[in-house]
Order: sequence, then structure tokens, then C-alpha cells
Amino acid sequence: QVQLVESGGGVVQPGRSLRLSCAASGFTFSSKNMHWVRQAPGKGLEWVAIVSSDGTSKYYGDSVKGRFTISRDNSKNTLDLQMNSLRPEDTAMYYCARERSGWTGDYFDYWGQGTLVTVSS
Amino acid sequence: SSDLTQDPAVSVALGQTVRITCQGDSLRTYYASWYQQKPGQAPLLVVYGETTRPSGIPDRFSGSRSGNTASLTITGAQAEDEADYYCNSRDSSGNHRVFGGGTKLTVL
Repeated sequence: QVQLVESGGGVVQPGRSLRLSCAASGFTFSSKNMHWVRQAPGKGLEWVAIVSSDGTSKYYGDSVKGRFTISRDNSKNTLDLQMNSLRPEDTAMYYCARERSGWTGDYFDYWGQGTLVTVSS
Repeated sequence: SSDLTQDPAVSVALGQTVRITCQGDSLRTYYASWYQQKPGQAPLLVVYGETTRPSGIPDRFSGSRSGNTASLTITGAQAEDEADYYCNSRDSSGNHRVFGGGTKLTVL
């Protein structure tokens, strides 16, 4: 069965860096676009970034562009999010999500359980 | 601000029908999907391609679209449907994804 397991969250000071990972299993990882989505405490879902199946195309939400980098290793079935220059407003649960796409558009069909990032001094 | 607009909160009496809406210009071009999220849990896909239910989602959940507004309808709401609901689609550029602000559904 499809599994997405995030790791790497924790408490970090403002201005510092953190790297999140998502281990994927149960499907052909290299054939799927992958995303990071976050949710600040008590707030709604916010799309963060996408990486194409082959890793060549990447797009970012406005709030993280220039600070975060999404990447993947298809040989290891892992998705990463390098977060630099962290701000208190980056405090959130970070989810990795698999995209399924087709004639009915694209959508997130599987989600991990999330990893919590807290940016605080 | 979000490119997709949802009412913050909606309530429905047990067993009645409720419609949750999502408005945005990009919905004229791109399909909407809907996610249910209960406290402490990851989001769960309930409708994709505007109208299609994934396997395992009860048939009381249905989706539709008219113009720039997508809707999620729950016909015969149950207590377990109390949750936050989010719509998602692409933004006007087509490259980014965007979520609506979410609708908190209360089942009375």
C-alpha cells in the first residue's frame, strides 16, 4: 500500500535551516509529481511546492520562494524540502503529498501524517 | 489572501443536506478537488475532478461546478462528517496549486 512518511521536523531558531524528508513506498515513486503542503497551528492548508516526477520542474508558493528548495531522489524514493532563513511564520505541520493526474485534472490522493516544524527563539 | 474563497463555517442538522462552496476564477479552467480534515489527522481526498468520489468515500458526498464556483454537497449529513473541508485547484498561472481557506462544518 502507498505510504508517505515525513521526518526531520523539530524546533529551530529564526534564521536557521532545516531539512525535511519524505520516504515513499508502495508505488512507482519516479512516475509521480510530489508536493509539500503545510498547515500552521489552527490555520488552513497552504500549498508549498511541487517537484515533477523526474525532478526537473519545480514551483514554489510565494511565501517560501527563494528560501525553500524541493528536491527528490528517485533512486531512494525520497522527497526533500530544504528550508533556509526560517521565520516564525513558517511554524507548521508539513505534509508530503502524492499527486495523481489525468483527464480529471490533478489532485492529492495520498498524504503523509506530517512532521511539525517550530521556528522559535 | 487565497485565490479560492470558501465560507469559514457552515452548519447542518443531522441527516440534512449541506453545500460547501469554493469560488475562484481559475475554476473555470482547472478542476477542483475537495479534502476533509478532522482534528489531528492528515487531509483526506473526498472528491476530485469536480465530481468524482474516490473508492471508499460514501456516496452522500458529491461535487459539482457552475461557472467559477465549485461545490461539495453532503446529502444526509452524519455526525462523522463534522470536519474542515478544503477545496484545491491550480491558480491562474496554471503552475501553482492553491487551497481555499477552508470551511468548518458543524453537524447539529
